[in-house]
Amino acid sequence: DGGITQSPKYLFRKEGQNVTLSCEQNLNHDAMYWYRQDPGQGLRLIYYSQIVNDFQKGDIAEGYSVSREKKESFPLTVTSAQKNPTAFYLCASSIARGANNEQFFGPGTRLTVL
Amino acid sequence: AQSVTQLDSHVSVSEGTPVLLRCNYSSSYSPSLFWYVQHPNKGLQLLLKYTSAATLVKGINGFEAEFKKSETSFHLTKPSAHMSDAAEYFCVVTFQAGTALIFGKGTTLSVSS
Repeated sequence: DGGITQSPKYLFRKEGQNVTLSCEQNLNHDAMYWYRQDPGQGLRLIYYSQIVNDFQKGDIAEGYSVSREKKESFPLTVTSAQKNPTAFYLCASSIARGANNEQFFGPGTRLTVL
Repeated sequence: AQSVTQLDSHVSVSEGTPVLLRCNYSSSYSPSLFWYVQHPNKGLQLLLKYTSAATLVKGINGFEAEFKKSETSFHLTKPSAHMSDAAEYFCVVTFQAGTALIFGKGTTLSVSS
């Protein structure tokens, strides 16, 4: 089955710890995205990548970092610098980054900072 | 500036009655418009998209939306609600200039029996 997988589904972290969220896709898509979802705020773009070894900051990149060493993988690290990391994180991919291209979403990771 | 507004944060309907979820956008460019649905603790699923072809777009699960340029609207409708339609719905806009996706804040649809 083609699709996007995110792991883990639920993640708990102590304050001051870095944590990495996994996102893998087997759709052969060039572009990948990370969004953060908070209640009543819709989705906000954290980082995106249009091609391997390249990525760009989105609207709320502070306190996050990413890498794109392989086409199928786009892990997100939530660092201790992120002041309010508790949220639902969604990864997505599309054929290319363009206005008409549908984005396919993973099932999400819910991060809770204790 | 480009933006998208979902006019209702919460819509409640009875099973079997029509659904209307409203979305307006503002842009200097020709938009591409999407509606996504999200069930609790799940990812987003595409319902339908408008990309400058037919202005009336049919999607999955009986949903459809009409692009009205004069009103800068892209409202989502369904003739008869089903219990399984209860979810959160997002109106999403992108533009020919290739700017980032812009999400509305979402509309929660409740369906009662």
